[in-house]
Amino acid sequence: DAGITQSPRHKVTETGTPVTLRCHQTENHRYMYWYRQDPGHGLRLIHYSYGVKDTDKGEVSDGYSVSRSKTEDFLLTLESATSSQTSVYFCAIRPRTGKNTEAFFGQGTRLTVV
Amino acid sequence: AQRVTQPEKLLSVFKGAPVELKCNYSYSGSPELFWYVQYSRQRLQLLLRHISRESIKGFTADLNKGETSFHLKKPFAQEEDSAMYYCALGNTDKLIFGTGTRLQVFP
Repeated sequence: DAGITQSPRHKVTETGTPVTLRCHQTENHRYMYWYRQDPGHGLRLIHYSYGVKDTDKGEVSDGYSVSRSKTEDFLLTLESATSSQTSVYFCAIRPRTGKNTEAFFGQGTRLTVV
Repeated sequence: AQRVTQPEKLLSVFKGAPVELKCNYSYSGSPELFWYVQYSRQRLQLLLRHISRESIKGFTADLNKGETSFHLKKPFAQEEDSAMYYCALGNTDKLIFGTGTRLQVFP
């Protein structure tokens, strides 16, 4: 497995509380991504990073923020969790864009907002 | 804008039958397309990339620029092919996925 780990793997939280998910890589890859996976919607991009302190929004960024203060860590924060944010969250890393560049995925974090 | 469309949410076939999972894309330039697979309770992993024109686990995918498609095919499905399949477009900084197709192969 590529050196990418997500923590926590499971979390249950209450509506209105802040939540932070962590993605850690040991591959020194430039690109890091956060997706959410929901039935019928597939994988939707929340935010991504193309370098330290360089981040941008994906298609479903509302209610989420990210930070990348060092190459190896990409944090996803739900400022005030809502039930609609109950999902499985996946982190991915990629060395670069362009031909033949595979993305590697973490094992996912199952988040339940009650 | 970049977009990936997978029109089928579920595809059910019997073992030994041919399989075709459809993927259409929207991109103004020359696309870089991938197929990823997610087996039950496992992380997503790369299955195919169009640039290498390879066959993995009997699967192939051909880029058709005229039809803006990158369909995944296998002539004889196996039970172990049952999984979730995602088509992805990765030209720019973003890596965009389709909604996925669940393939069920019955014995």
